[in-house]
Amino acid sequence: ILNVEQSPQSLHVQEGDSTNFTCSFPSSNFYALHWYRWETAKSPEALFVMTLNGDEKKKGRISATLNTKEGYSYLYIKGSQPEDSATYLCAFVKAAGNKLTFGGGTRVLVKP
Amino acid sequence: DGGITQSPKYLFRKEGQNVTLSCEQNLNHDAMYWYRQDPGQGLRLIYYSQIVNDFQKGDIAEGYSVSREKKESFPLTVTSAQKNPTAFYLCASSIVGRRETQYFGPGTRLLVL
Repeated sequence: ILNVEQSPQSLHVQEGDSTNFTCSFPSSNFYALHWYRWETAKSPEALFVMTLNGDEKKKGRISATLNTKEGYSYLYIKGSQPEDSATYLCAFVKAAGNKLTFGGGTRVLVKP
Repeated sequence: DGGITQSPKYLFRKEGQNVTLSCEQNLNHDAMYWYRQDPGQGLRLIYYSQIVNDFQKGDIAEGYSVSREKKESFPLTVTSAQKNPTAFYLCASSIVGRRETQYFGPGTRLLVL
């Protein structure tokens, strides 16, 4: 069973502050890493798919970096807003595999 | 609108009963997936299908069964063999491929009476 860990499990952020959190995954047999955002009472929505070491993706105020050699990805939220409150999930895809293995998620609550 | 629908939103199961969760998509995706979420845990893959009339077990397939008779539909049956069925169930679909984004339905919460 693949070990995909996200930390912290939850965090509270003051509106306007920036924050970041981590997804750790096996550094061997890497193929891709997905990030999803899951707002309460909604369906998970894709943020990024990352495949190359050193890759950096950005979508509005949210960005992500990828280090496949050491097995981690960071997700950053710049100038957090209440609408950023959600659970952020990462999912690892190994080489020679065809399914996603999800981490437990980081639950972000942005306080006004 | 294109998307994935799941029904019902809530489902109650009695002891020894099989129940079926519906998942339909009109995105013309070949691949469909079923995940289970338990409190404090990530999504765990139950079954997936990449083509009609074919499906594979995921990480926690015991006590579940699926069928894929139509491209649009991928129903999940929770059998009486599943001893701890209380969970939130999510269906997803995608273009076949490991880099492809999965699109999720709204989920079904299954509770045991």
